[in-house]
Amino acid sequence: DQQVKQNSPSLSVQEGRISILNCDYTNSMFDYFLWYKKYPAEGPTFLISISSIKDKNEDGRFTVFLNKSAKHLSLHIVPSQPGDSAVYFCAASEGTYKYIFGTGTRLKVLA
Amino acid sequence: DAGITQSPRHKVTETGTPVTLRCHQTENHRYMYWYRQDPGHGLRLIHYSYGVKDTDKGEVSDGYSVSRSKTEDFLLTLESATSSQTSVYFCAISERQGDNQPQHFGDGTRLSIL
Repeated sequence: DQQVKQNSPSLSVQEGRISILNCDYTNSMFDYFLWYKKYPAEGPTFLISISSIKDKNEDGRFTVFLNKSAKHLSLHIVPSQPGDSAVYFCAASEGTYKYIFGTGTRLKVLA
Repeated sequence: DAGITQSPRHKVTETGTPVTLRCHQTENHRYMYWYRQDPGHGLRLIHYSYGVKDTDKGEVSDGYSVSRSKTEDFLLTLESATSSQTSVYFCAISERQGDNQPQHFGDGTRLSIL
């Protein structure tokens, strides 16, 4: 049973436009959410996180939105750049060591 | 970048052989984790450690054992490798557990069991 779902395996976006990556979860006890970016042959790199007490967190071009009632979070990248092309994983935690990861979305930013 | 080194980076071996993967960190973080990444599953936790000689099982621990004799090293052992253990293995570290601390990952070991 997948507690964290990324329903879009891939996404293509034109350079300079907005990229929106989505993640849904089923466990209402999750209270910490993260996004990781992964390039081929490298490990996942922490990108941005959000606590359940917030509904938005920004870091430069990256913004994460959390909608607790819908059990949905999204990552917005504005403007998208070719270097953003990677696989993006969302993860959720109940505030412990245990992270539950989604299956990833491959983002391709077209120049 | 967090100072995490995984070795080897690639390994091919045969079914039934023992395999040990090493994770070495230079951050002096207390917590260390082993994950595997497979298509359609994201990353899944195998084992984790909360201190020297202190380890516990994760979601997919069957067929794996771990040891941590020093803060900086966390070993993952497949006692008798099976083809289902072909995967990419990632080590991660964190300074604290919970408290909204992100885990930081090494670059992975690609393991093929023939």
